[in-house]
This record gives sequence, structure tokens and C-alpha cells, in this order.
Amino acid sequence: AQRVTQPEKLLSVFKGAPVELKCNYSYSGSPELFWYVQYSRQRLQLLLRHISRESIKGFTADLNKGETSFHLKKPFAQEEDSAMYYCALIYSNYKLTFGKGTLLTVNP
Amino acid sequence: GAGVSQSPSNKVTEKGKDVELRCDPISGHTALYWYRQRLGQGLEFLIYFQGNSAPDKSGLPSDRFSAERTGESVSTLTIQRTQQEDSAVYLCASSLIPRDGLHFGNGTRLTVT
Repeated sequence: AQRVTQPEKLLSVFKGAPVELKCNYSYSGSPELFWYVQYSRQRLQLLLRHISRESIKGFTADLNKGETSFHLKKPFAQEEDSAMYYCALIYSNYKLTFGKGTLLTVNP
Repeated sequence: GAGVSQSPSNKVTEKGKDVELRCDPISGHTALYWYRQRLGQGLEFLIYFQGNSAPDKSGLPSDRFSAERTGESVSTLTIQRTQQEDSAVYLCASSLIPRDGLHFGNGTRLTVT
């Protein structure tokens, strides 16, 4: 069965520190993974897709098929990065399954 | 630039009443989704529309839940005889190509008392 696991419900770092939000997946096919973000009082929005290999707002994520992971990283966290982050896996071309999310707090 | 619009934003209803939640997707988006998010939980898939058809209704939790879409546009999610466990935020999302990402609405917060 397809599954996305985000082991940390909460993550707190100081401004300027590196941050890594963990995501592991379970899928027998070729995975396509995403990170979505929800800032306070805003709607859920796409942050990045592994297939486009983008860096958005300084965040990157590398798909590691050996470890079945897609961790989200940023070398220097900013206060405005505080948000809820969801990792997601798409399969059958349309079905998106989400992890339970990690609430990131960046302290001044 | 209109995004995905959902109404109402908040709904409080008494147990046993029926409710209708509305979603206006981005114009031209053929794919439309409903998700549910209970407090402290992740997003739970409910139903997927491609055009006006729903090829995947596998996430609807019971026969009290139904959804329809017309004109390849507006969708309504109906919950009959609401129960307290139906309390959640109901999210709608649309996309032209799901693999490119989904566009979410702000959600409807449903509270069943």
C-alpha cells in the first residue's frame, strides 16, 4: 500500500540554523513526490516537486530511492519559513496521498 | 486571478442535519478533489472527479457522503444525517495535470454539535 510518513509532528529551530524535514514513503512503483506548505491563515500550496528538481525559497529535496526518502532541506532557516509542511506521493497519475505533516517553528 | 473557492468557510450544524459544501475550481481544471482533515490528522482523500465523472469514490467514508460535479466546474459535497465525527475541515483542490500539483481552496470548517 502507498504510504507517506513524516516522523516529526513538530520541529523547532533557530533562525539561521539548517533545517531538515523528514519524509519517507512506501510505494512499489516509480515514485513522484511533492512538498506542500501551509502558512498561517493561508491555503495549502505546492512548494516543490521532485521531478522538476527546483529550489524554491531556498528549499531543496532529493529523492533517495534506496532509503525511500524525500527529505526537505534548507541551509539557513528564516522566521517566515514557519509553517505546516506536508510531504505527498502521487500514484496512478492522479491520486495524491499525504503525510500527516510537520509543524516547523523558526525562532528568532 | 481566481483560485479555488469554497463556501461556506465555516458551518456549524446540529447532529442529524444535512449539509452541502461547495467548491468552485479554477476555470479549465478538469481534475477536482475533495479531502478531509480532522483535527491533528493528515489529509484524507474522499473523492476525485475527472470532468463530471467520479472514477474514484473510494475515500467516501459512508453512504451518508455523496458528491457531484456539473459543467466540469462547480462541485458539491453533501453529508446527510451529520454525526459528530464528521467535524473536520473539508478541502477542495483542482488541477489541469495532477502530476504538476494541486491547487487548494481555503476549506470549509464543519462543526457538528
